[in-house]
Amino acid sequence: SQKIEQNSEALNIQEGKTATLTCNYTNYSPAYLQWYRQDPGRGPVFLLLIRENEKEKRKERLKVTFDTTLKQSLFHITASQPADSATYLCALSGTYKYIFGTGTRLKVLA
Amino acid sequence: GAVVSQHPSRVICKSGTSVKIECRSLDFQATTMFWYRQFPKKSLMLMATSNEGSKATYEQGVEKDKFLINHASLTLSTLTVTSAHPEDSSFYICSAGGTGTDTQYFGPGTRLTVL
Repeated sequence: SQKIEQNSEALNIQEGKTATLTCNYTNYSPAYLQWYRQDPGRGPVFLLLIRENEKEKRKERLKVTFDTTLKQSLFHITASQPADSATYLCALSGTYKYIFGTGTRLKVLA
Repeated sequence: GAVVSQHPSRVICKSGTSVKIECRSLDFQATTMFWYRQFPKKSLMLMATSNEGSKATYEQGVEKDKFLINHASLTLSTLTVTSAHPEDSSFYICSAGGTGTDTQYFGPGTRLTVL
């Protein structure tokens, strides 16, 4: 069955450092992959989308890579800030139906 | 950006009653809407896919008679939890995807508590 794993349930880093979150998947060939941010008690907020034929996507301090050979996506937040503290979800889709990972809770320490 | 609203944001009801949750796309037309359920510290679990003007497609294990979905227009989908029980208490989130878009836009969620 299709499976998505995000590297750790929780990740703590110091302010100013680069946070790197991992999303690995098996038994799936997604057309694209997305990253969302979710704050407690709120719905996910879309951050970035990367397609299967793209290697890297950037948006301000965010960068996403997508390696379909390794079946892995990396999500980077550079110059992290305490306001970046949240849960980050990766989601895979082949058509329009999404499969979500369990998320990584990022905490940026001041 | 695309905005999706949900109403109510929180609801507390007695066991045995029915609860309706509305999901609206405010600034775009959504041919497809999705309903998810999320347990604490868990990921989103897709319950059903709602297509405007047709019957919803439910995921395996989701009771269609328990969770009634109606997508009457391109901007509104409703989820009705019928005869709610405490085990139905959860965070329900809808999302909407417009025609030709790859991204789903999520509503803020509805916290349902069944006493």
